[in-house]
Amino acid sequence: DTEVTQTPKHLVMGMTNKKSLKCEQHMGHRAMYWYKQKAKKPPELMFVYSYEKLSINESVPSRFSPECPNSSLLNLHLHALQPEDSALYLCASSRTSGGFVTDTQYFGPGTRLTVL
Amino acid sequence: AQSVTQPDIHITVSEGASLELRCNYSYGATPYLFWYVQSPGQGLQLLLKYFSGDTLVQGIKGFEAEFKRSQSSFNLRKPSVHWSDAAEYFCAVAPTSGTYKYIFGTGTRLKVLA
Repeated sequence: DTEVTQTPKHLVMGMTNKKSLKCEQHMGHRAMYWYKQKAKKPPELMFVYSYEKLSINESVPSRFSPECPNSSLLNLHLHALQPEDSALYLCASSRTSGGFVTDTQYFGPGTRLTVL
Repeated sequence: AQSVTQPDIHITVSEGASLELRCNYSYGATPYLFWYVQSPGQGLQLLLKYFSGDTLVQGIKGFEAEFKRSQSSFNLRKPSVHWSDAAEYFCAVAPTSGTYKYIFGTGTRLKVLA
């Protein structure tokens, strides 16, 4: 099973709202990722968690707050977003090897976020 | 600088025709190589990957790719395209050690004519 699930599928929020995106995998992967994808562009890496610890933050604004409560779950908390943050948010996971990730990333279906 | 180039932004083929999508990379050493497909509004699905060994890699949905070290290329091929293959295709590379990051190409949008 190579399934990564994401909820919700669609989210519309105002600029003053607080919302969260959820990602789950049961493949035993210890690396999990958040990507942002704008239309007709490749995914852009936002965050990487390895063994439930934040390993990479690609200079993402603080209005995006990731959380990895356990090895199967990854959340992205959203607060005070801007309309330009509207995008498809993708979660991915992969195995780790010696603390570094060099293996295949498996992606979820994404959450389509619209910020009004 | 490390980079991945997909020279064709759009490709249109007729159903049943053969397909080749190009991917070239610039990297200090042979990286891990991947092809993903993305249907509109969906996530990325892995088609195939190359880590080492046989340079001709078979994937899902009848796709294959050939790694050519001398040309720094990893082109994706399919002998007979189906209408359901219409999608965005991304080539990606990853280092064999040291970081978690993929470098994605800009993507090739495939249109299939009936």
